[in-house]
Amino acid sequence: DAMVIQNPRYQVTQFGKPVTLSCSQTLNHNVMYWYQQKSSQAPKLLFHYYDKDFNNEADTPDNFQSRRPNTSFCFLDIRSPGLGDAAMYLCATSRGRDNSRVSGNIQYFGAGTRLSVL
Amino acid sequence: GQQLNQSPQSMFIQEGEDVSMNCTSSSIFNTWLWYKQDPGEGPVLLIALYKAGELTSNGRLTAQFGITRKDSFLNISASIPSDVGIYFCAGRTTSGTYKYIFGTGTRLKVLA
Repeated sequence: DAMVIQNPRYQVTQFGKPVTLSCSQTLNHNVMYWYQQKSSQAPKLLFHYYDKDFNNEADTPDNFQSRRPNTSFCFLDIRSPGLGDAAMYLCATSRGRDNSRVSGNIQYFGAGTRLSVL
Repeated sequence: GQQLNQSPQSMFIQEGEDVSMNCTSSSIFNTWLWYKQDPGEGPVLLIALYKAGELTSNGRLTAQFGITRKDSFLNISASIPSDVGIYFCAGRTTSGTYKYIFGTGTRLKVLA
């Protein structure tokens, strides 16, 4: 059973029209991440939450926002999508506690949402 | 953002051959993760490494955490067509952050 679930798998939006991507997890993990991945490139971290503490990457555009209303859910809001925002968006989770021999350091990914901007 | 040096960038191999790829960093890591990503899907965890020198296997896959804690290796033995995909390493530093740094990826193509 999927542990990190992203909806929808495919999203089409219009240039400038706000869009929200969602992620849920059944792992009860403390940390949730949002990555942007463009074709054949490594995932690029946008931001992450440790519980309700939000950590933004310095180079994440202001156009990208996130919400985490509870442990299980996290949302990525793109306020005014541009053509350059078309990409795969990946959600991931990790337990967060530094237990070196337990799964605390493992990061689990969802299947991703592919965003197209017309 | 920071990335790990991963090599080779891509490789074509014959079915049945063994494959090796590696990641190197200027930073010391306390965790190395190896992922495989198929087109249109999220990365799937293959192997997790937690300790310098650790050697871990998962079927035909074997990965090692380098002694210097700045590198890791992934080997695939007797490759099969379904091994095709992009392999990423990811490392977590000892600085107390919960962030992972990704390698640039190795694209593997297997010729039947």
